[in-house]
Amino acid sequence: NAGVTQTPKFQVLKTGQSMTLQCAQDMNHNSMYWYRQDPGMGLRLIYYSASEGTTDKGEVPNGYNVSRLNKREFSLRLESAAPSQTSVYFCASITGTFMNTEAFFGQGTRLTVV
Amino acid sequence: GENVEQHPSTLSVQEGDSAVIKCTYSDSASNYFPWYKQELGKRPQLIIDIRSNVGEKKDQRIAVTLNKTAKHFSLHITETQPEDSAVYFCAAFYYSGGSNYKLTFGKGTLLTVNP
Repeated sequence: NAGVTQTPKFQVLKTGQSMTLQCAQDMNHNSMYWYRQDPGMGLRLIYYSASEGTTDKGEVPNGYNVSRLNKREFSLRLESAAPSQTSVYFCASITGTFMNTEAFFGQGTRLTVV
Repeated sequence: GENVEQHPSTLSVQEGDSAVIKCTYSDSASNYFPWYKQELGKRPQLIIDIRSNVGEKKDQRIAVTLNKTAKHFSLHITETQPEDSAVYFCAAFYYSGGSNYKLTFGKGTLLTVNP
C-alpha cells in the first residue's frame, strides 16, 4: 500500500517549457487535490477533483491545468512554465465522512523554473 | 470561500515550555479541523484533529480546542522537546456530503524549541 505517490521529486525547467506532475493514490479515494507551498504562504489550493470526471479551480489556478485521468490518477500540467511557478507541489487525497475524515499527502515535487 | 488565519507565523520557546498556536476560520459550515506537522523537506503529517461536535481533544502532550461561536481553534503543546521543532499548519475542512470536500490551510507557524 503506497498511499499517495508523486513524480517527479525534483525538476528544473526553463521558462516557457511545459511539464506534467503525476499523482496516483491506491486508497480508492474519491477526492484529490493539488497544492503549492511557498515560504510564508502555507499550502495554497491550485485545483481539486471531488470525484472522477470532475475538476474545480482552487485559490491559485492561473497557469495550470489538471486532468483526473481515472479514480487513481490526478495530474497537474504547466503549459508554459514561469519563474513564479517555482515552488514545492503537493498532491493529496481525501476521503471520509463527517465522523471519519483523512487527508494523505504525497512526498512533494520541488520545481524550479529558471 | 473559506479563509483560515494562523498566528503567530514564528514561535520560539525553551525546551519544557508550552507552545500555543491559534487559528480562526471564516466559514461557519466548516466541520473538521486537522493540524499538520511538517518537518523540513517532508510532507505534512496529521498530528491531531477535532470535529465541530467536540470542544477539546487531547493526545499526550498535544491538545486542540475549538470555539465554534468565535470560529477559532488552537493547538497546545506542553513540555516541548527539540523534536517538536517544525512548521505547524492548521486547516479547516468543509464536508457537504458525497465526495464534496474542501480543505483550506493556514499559512503555517515555524516552531523552534531551544534546548
